[in-house]
Amino acid sequence: ETGVTQSPTHLIKTRGQQVTLRCSSQSGHNTVSWYQQALGQGPQFIFQYYREEENGRGNFPPRFSGLQFPNYSSELNVNALELDDSALYLCASSLRTGAYEQYFGPGTRLTVT
Amino acid sequence: SQQGEEDPQALSIQEGENATMNCSYKTSINNLQWYRQNSGRGLVHLILIRSNEREKHSGRLRVTLDTSKKSSSLLITASRAADTASYFCATAWNDMRFGAGTRLTVKP
Repeated sequence: ETGVTQSPTHLIKTRGQQVTLRCSSQSGHNTVSWYQQALGQGPQFIFQYYREEENGRGNFPPRFSGLQFPNYSSELNVNALELDDSALYLCASSLRTGAYEQYFGPGTRLTVT
Repeated sequence: SQQGEEDPQALSIQEGENATMNCSYKTSINNLQWYRQNSGRGLVHLILIRSNEREKHSGRLRVTLDTSKKSSSLLITASRAADTASYFCATAWNDMRFGAGTRLTVKP
């Protein structure tokens, strides 16, 4: 059984640029959630996808968008990057929608300069 | 916005001692979960307690939930140096909201 993987591990971008982060869910999981974790803080919920449709969203602006593919891999896209977007981005997959046990990937560390 | 609030923010104990972390929250929940995070890496699920449960055990972990007080506690017994990590509670309704975490240091 393959765990949740994320790519890239680290990324440095310039303010105003766009970025795409990728996640491969655990085998058999049809739900993926994305979180932003600033240094010293807990993860903040960005959105959740279930069967390729957005299934809930946290308090993040529209420049944060996502996709889930038929194989349940997913992407997080962030447009017009701001310095405050610097954080660890975590994806987590689960067997069901809503709020059940989630399996997290190792994260992508994004630095915006 | 974050939901749970962990207390204390940081805890330092000796190996073999017990560690207790508390979580308070504000809204209704379906369940409450505890996660561990080592050095800014991915989170690992520890235990889930449903809103109609009061106590749950898993190995050296004991979790309690008091929905009337909107609070939960995580007890780690006989702690080990490998337990050094940040611990987060997450309240679950339609999605999950995490607190800011408790940083636990277990000294050998």
